[in-house]
Amino acid sequence: DAGITQSPRYKITETGRQVTLMCHQTWSHSYMFWYRQDLGHGLRLIYYSAAADITDKGEVPDGYVVSRSKTENFPLTLESATRSQTSVYFCASGWETQYFGPGTRLLVL
Amino acid sequence: GIQVEQSPPDLILQEGANSTLRCNFSDSVNNLQWFHQNPWGQLINLFYIPSGTKQNGRLSATTVATERYSLLYISSSQTTDSGVYFCAYGGATNKLIFGTGTLLAVQP
Repeated sequence: DAGITQSPRYKITETGRQVTLMCHQTWSHSYMFWYRQDLGHGLRLIYYSAAADITDKGEVPDGYVVSRSKTENFPLTLESATRSQTSVYFCASGWETQYFGPGTRLLVL
Repeated sequence: GIQVEQSPPDLILQEGANSTLRCNFSDSVNNLQWFHQNPWGQLINLFYIPSGTKQNGRLSATTVATERYSLLYISSSQTTDSGVYFCAYGGATNKLIFGTGTLLAVQP
């Protein structure tokens, strides 16, 4: 598929479990980003990556791990999920113009 | 920290009306983008506009960097324009800070 995709689109998990959200883009953009969107907080940056093997923290990185071994992929891992990580997660790529994926709705029970 | 404020927080229009959305930011700007989030949650980039004016159909945007604000104009609004409009500010770092958004409802 062309563009930017996220998987899974919906996920239910339990506290303490590890969860990995996948993001794939076909444009070869250098920059990729992970955001979470919550009512009352808008969109907040979790982590971003300027290129393969280069990542940096955003506003709310605690509890999350990222890696970027290939330009096109940018997975986000919740090492031990907590209820406060229930959210909608968006991946984006590009810099001057950011393109967003469709989002992953995560529920942590 | 840097403040990115949008106004109004919500807006109700009749189809065909025009509107202006505002985004104020508190520091010098390198990157300013406008997004539309439709009722299904999809975020669509409307403009990359760190300065100057751009137009795309019924939408146009202006950023006055020296006065630290950006405006999004919607003319002849349609029901499909409904949703939340976000501005996103980028300064000296490679990170975007999103405003809290303007919720727009266009009634037929």
